[in-house]
Amino acid sequence: GNSVTQMEGPVTLSEEAFLTINCTYTATGYPSLFWYVQYPGEGLQLLLKATKADDKGSNKGFEATYRKETTSFHLEKGSVQVSDSAVYFCALRSGGSNYKLTFGKGTLLTVNP
Amino acid sequence: GAVVSQHPSRVICKSGTSVKIECRSLDFQATTMFWYRQFPKKSLMLMATSNEGSKATYEQGVEKDKFLINHASLTLSTLTVTSAHPEDSSFYICSALTSGSSFFGPGTRLTVL
Repeated sequence: GNSVTQMEGPVTLSEEAFLTINCTYTATGYPSLFWYVQYPGEGLQLLLKATKADDKGSNKGFEATYRKETTSFHLEKGSVQVSDSAVYFCALRSGGSNYKLTFGKGTLLTVNP
Repeated sequence: GAVVSQHPSRVICKSGTSVKIECRSLDFQATTMFWYRQFPKKSLMLMATSNEGSKATYEQGVEKDKFLINHASLTLSTLTVTSAHPEDSSFYICSALTSGSSFFGPGTRLTVL
């Protein structure tokens, strides 16, 4: 079956530090890959996505590249801000029409001024 | 656009009572909604797929008589936890599907005493 493994948190960084949150997956076929962000008190929001190998998703300074050879979709940002403090979820969706998402456990990021 | 609400945001109930949680798509219609359960420090677990006008599709291991899902309109799905017990205490999250993307509600914290 499908599964997503992302690095355990919490992650604490200083403002302007470089961020990497690792994510690897197991899936049949050719899944689409996602990063969702959950700010305190809010629902999950789509941060970025990639639908095929070597695609790079990017948004708000965050990037992730779909690496089929390493089954990975690591999230990176060159300079984090305090406002980036949130929980980040890696997820995949298998091909087909059921649109079901499989999530990782989430990584809590705290950015200090 | 694409806002999803949940009500209530928090609920505390006594063991043996039933609790209804509503999920609404506020500015779009959704023929498909999903219900997830999130345990502390664990990923979101898909419970069921809610289809407007038809029976919900439950994931393996989820009791359909325990977690009743009704998707009576294109903007509303409800999850009723019947005869709730303390082990049902959790964070319940819904998402609504439109144009191939999932939009999430803010979640409902259920505590069963």
